Amino acid sequence: KQEVTQIPAALSVPEGENLVLNCSFTDSAIYNLQWFRQDPGKGLTSLLLIQSSQREQTSGRLNASLDKSSGRSTLYIAASQPGDSATYLCAVRPTSSASKIIFGSGTRLSIRP
Amino acid sequence: NAGVTQTPKFQVLKTGQSMTLQCAQDMNHNSMYWYRQDPGMGLRLIYYSASEGTTDKGEVPNGYNVSRLNKREFSLRLESAAPSQTSVYFCASKPLDNQPQHFGDGTRLSIL
Repeated sequence: KQEVTQIPAALSVPEGENLVLNCSFTDSAIYNLQWFRQDPGKGLTSLLLIQSSQREQTSGRLNASLDKSSGRSTLYIAASQPGDSATYLCAVRPTSSASKIIFGSGTRLSIRP
Repeated sequence: NAGVTQTPKFQVLKTGQSMTLQCAQDMNHNSMYWYRQDPGMGLRLIYYSASEGTTDKGEVPNGYNVSRLNKREFSLRLESAAPSQTSVYFCASKPLDNQPQHFGDGTRLSIL
């Protein structure tokens, strides 16, 4: 059974720092991996989607990497800003499922001014 | 663009009461999903509908029913609410197979 883990559950860093959020999954048979952002009281917003054949995706100050063989993904945030404060979730779509995706429990990020 | 709209935003029920959570999307997406989010557990899939006229169970379907009324609307029904169903419920939709899901803002449901 596929399991997705995100450690740490919470992270606080000063503004301006570069930071890395981690995601690990137990089964390397995935179709793709996504990173989402969730603001308090809101739904999820998709940030980056990495296909299983890709190694990384970039959008602005965000860069997500994927290493299927080791079951890991990282989300790199450059020059962090207070507006980056949110919960970040990763989710994998197993190759065995056409529609289901499996979420990690998220990392709550706080950027201190 | 409205995107994915969920109603109501908040609801308090007594144990044993029934209610239907509504979800509508205006993006002409084929697939729609219902998740629940509990503290420290991420999102878990309750039911999904890959296309109009089809529904399938997800990870935690017990105690719920769904209806894909048409391409736009996908409702979630609790027939006899239990305190264990206190959660935040999210609806999502997706256009094509390899595209990201779009989420509503959630329904916060408390069952006393």
